[in-house]
Amino acid sequence: DTGVSQDPRHKITKRGQNVTFRCDPISEHNRLYWYRQTLGQGPEFLTYFQNEAQLEKSRLLSDRFSAERPKGSFSTLEIQRTEQGDSAMYLCASSLKGLAGGEQFFGPGTRLTVL
Amino acid sequence: GQNIDQPTEMTATEGAIVQINCTYQTSGFNGLFWYQQHAGEAPTFLSYNVLDGLEEKGRFSSFLSRSKGYSYLLLKELQMKDSASYLCAVRVLMNTGFQKLVFGTGTRLLVSP
Repeated sequence: DTGVSQDPRHKITKRGQNVTFRCDPISEHNRLYWYRQTLGQGPEFLTYFQNEAQLEKSRLLSDRFSAERPKGSFSTLEIQRTEQGDSAMYLCASSLKGLAGGEQFFGPGTRLTVL
Repeated sequence: GQNIDQPTEMTATEGAIVQINCTYQTSGFNGLFWYQQHAGEAPTFLSYNVLDGLEEKGRFSSFLSRSKGYSYLLLKELQMKDSASYLCAVRVLMNTGFQKLVFGTGTRLLVSP
């Protein structure tokens, strides 16, 4: 399977705990995006990497959220001191600069439940 | 600001044709995408329009009018497996040069026998 993969698929945690999610993009894609999606809503942009550089961050991304893409391949999204409002589906997507249209390919997501 | 509107829910019958509309008010418009999302799964790319007109791809077609801020997704010969949410997303060129994808809330389509 050469699509975008995410791990874990589901995560249940208690309020105040830290969680980390991983995303492996399509191998030749140099652009990587994180989104958050809540029930009945479309995905909301969180942050963007081109290769290893984090070039854009949404104002939605509070200081409890941090993302990395250390070698320009996989990425991690960490949420510290989780709150119940963080419960959502966290989606990762990748795209290739220069590809006509530049459509983003999404992974299956990590569903986070904060109790 | 960016605003994207699409109907919340639609129903249709197997074999029929359905049109899902999307209107948008954005600055820095740089293309419109349609994605399909089955419950609990990732969005999958359906179509892309950057110029006015109709793009056809098998049973699915997408139309764009930039002057009207309007797009629609047309699904023909509906099948039960087409029951899903359909997300309209506008790509917006930000001041930083970043091209951000802004999604609507999605239209949940229910296809009945």
